Amino acid sequence: DAGVTQSPTHLIKTRGQQVTLRCSPKSGHDTVSWYQQALGQGPQFIFQYYEEEERQRGNFPDRFSGHQFPNYSSELNVNALLLGDSALYLCASSLSDILLAEAFFGQGTRLTVV
Amino acid sequence: KNEVEQSPQNLTAQEGEFITINCSYSVGISALHWLQQHPGGGIVSLFMLSSGKKKHGRLIATINIQEKHSSLHITASHPRDSAVYICAVRGRIGSRLTFGEGTQLTVNP
Repeated sequence: DAGVTQSPTHLIKTRGQQVTLRCSPKSGHDTVSWYQQALGQGPQFIFQYYEEEERQRGNFPDRFSGHQFPNYSSELNVNALLLGDSALYLCASSLSDILLAEAFFGQGTRLTVV
Repeated sequence: KNEVEQSPQNLTAQEGEFITINCSYSVGISALHWLQQHPGGGIVSLFMLSSGKKKHGRLIATINIQEKHSSLHITASHPRDSAVYICAVRGRIGSRLTFGEGTQLTVNP
């Protein structure tokens, strides 16, 4: 089992560009959550996808959008990139129908906006 | 005030020392997680607690639901324990996690 995999691992983009980050959940997991972690801070919840729909959303602008595919993999899209979007983006997967299901994290994608 | 507060922010110890990291939270939760993050970013789940105490090797995690407080203990610390330790709570509704700022632990040989 490969666990949660994210791609790419590193990315450099220019201000104003758009970026797509990808996440494959742990085998059998149907719920994917995305988090943004700025340097020296704890991760912040962006949103969560279940059954191809956004189920919960944190305090992030509409520039941040996502998608979940029928195979449960997910994408995070960020439009009109700002310097402040530079961060480690983490994906976590879990199984929705287990009470207190444990979350498994990917290695993250480090995004640098210049 | 953050919903999840950790202390200390930074901790330096000598190999072999007993280490305690504390986490306080201000919201109702269904579970609390202790996570370990190494340089490079990957996060590993150490414990998920909803009550009482759990032990795994040299790691012990406790939670007091009434006091809204949890501790992570490391016995006989080792340089390979050096990492950021993060406390995260799961709300009563949904499965999103709210994270603390993390504790940077450095264990010197």
